[in-house]
Amino acid sequence: ETGVTQTPRHLVMGMTNKKSLKCEQHLGHNAMYWYKQSAKKPLELMFVYSLEERVENNSVPSRFSPECPNSSHLFLHLHTLQPEDSALYLCASSHSATGESYEQYFGPGTRLTVT
Amino acid sequence: AQKITQTQPGMFVQEKEAVTLDCTYDTSDQSYGLFWYKQPSSGEMIFLIYQGSYDEQNATEGRYSLNFQKARKSANLVISASQLGDSAMYFCAMREGHSNSGYALNFGKGTSLLVTP
Repeated sequence: ETGVTQTPRHLVMGMTNKKSLKCEQHLGHNAMYWYKQSAKKPLELMFVYSLEERVENNSVPSRFSPECPNSSHLFLHLHTLQPEDSALYLCASSHSATGESYEQYFGPGTRLTVT
Repeated sequence: AQKITQTQPGMFVQEKEAVTLDCTYDTSDQSYGLFWYKQPSSGEMIFLIYQGSYDEQNATEGRYSLNFQKARKSANLVISASQLGDSAMYFCAMREGHSNSGYALNFGKGTSLLVTP
């Protein structure tokens, strides 16, 4: 059983909707991440939180808004999305945001379709 | 520039046979970590194995081993005794150790492995 959970697993939303993706980790980790996985493209890092502070934002459009209320929970708030935002959104966590040896543990992802 | 290259978009292997999935990487760092992940059709990325750049021995985890050739900058994944449940996408990833490297794992495009009976 994965230590990182994500809800919902599937989401269909119109371009004018507002929705939120939720991620929760039960591993006692200090860092959490949002990745986007589009078809035939490598995973793209979107946001990184370390000890609840955002430490990286990879030029993500403002229609994606992350929130990390504590070290176990991470949200991705979505509004006025575009069809090209349809993708698998993966949450991950690790012991630390820095250092080359810490593996990241991923959740099952949310499959988002924007209509 | 692409930091991780996986040249095999798709691979087939017969059940119980061994298979090697290729991965080459590009970095000027002396300190880095290499990772392999498995992604079944369900979508979850499952961590398989880790190799540190200073590790002298190849990493092994059960049926998974990493053939680390530092001079060639390659980190191939070897799966022994393939099982039908091994059918999935496999991603090679690297994380660099210097302070300006950022926080991301740099992933390759993946190799789709199909294990046949």
